[in-house]
Amino acid sequence: DAGVIQSPRHEVTEMGQEVTLRCKPISGHNSLFWYRQTMMRGLELLIYFNNNVPIDDSGMPEDRFSAKMPNASFSTLKIQPSEPRDSAVYFCASSFYETQYFGPGTRLLVL
Amino acid sequence: GIQVEQSPPDLILQEGANSTLRCNFSDSVNNLQWFHQNPWGQLINLFYIPSGTKQNGRLSATTVATERYSLLYISSSQTTDSGVYFCAVDPSEKTGANNLFFGTGTRLTVIP
Repeated sequence: DAGVIQSPRHEVTEMGQEVTLRCKPISGHNSLFWYRQTMMRGLELLIYFNNNVPIDDSGMPEDRFSAKMPNASFSTLKIQPSEPRDSAVYFCASSFYETQYFGPGTRLLVL
Repeated sequence: GIQVEQSPPDLILQEGANSTLRCNFSDSVNNLQWFHQNPWGQLINLFYIPSGTKQNGRLSATTVATERYSLLYISSSQTTDSGVYFCAVDPSEKTGANNLFFGTGTRLTVIP
């Protein structure tokens, strides 16, 4: 089992640019989660999907953030336009029941 | 929203020592999980434990849901145990809900 796969692992971009983060959940898992980790705010849930449907997006910071899950094996988190305060590690996780399995994260730096 | 407090915030142990990490939460929960974030940033699920006691090798966890706390025990600590330990809870009343709120973590350093 390859685990949760995220790409890219590192991203450096300039303010105002569009950023797209990608996630492939573990095969057979029906829930997918996007988290953000910063020193100031710790680990925060941004959005989660169940059976490809967004269930709770109350953690999405603002309209610049959007997430999609077009099928059971792929999800994207997009930031447009990016700002320096978006710099963080973004994790994707998936689960079948309660136990969540995390990907390695994408470290984003917005200059 | 629910408050999740972990203690101690930092812990330094000599290799071979035992430790207890605590997680207090402010509301009833249906889901509680412990995670270990290693020094390379990877988050590993240790336990799903909304109540009761579980053991996995040198690690064990106990959750007393009625008193709103959970404990993680690490015995015979090893340098590979270093990292940050997070407690995460879901206060939803819906069975199977999975909206986790994370505590601020306990940073453990095990020295040889």
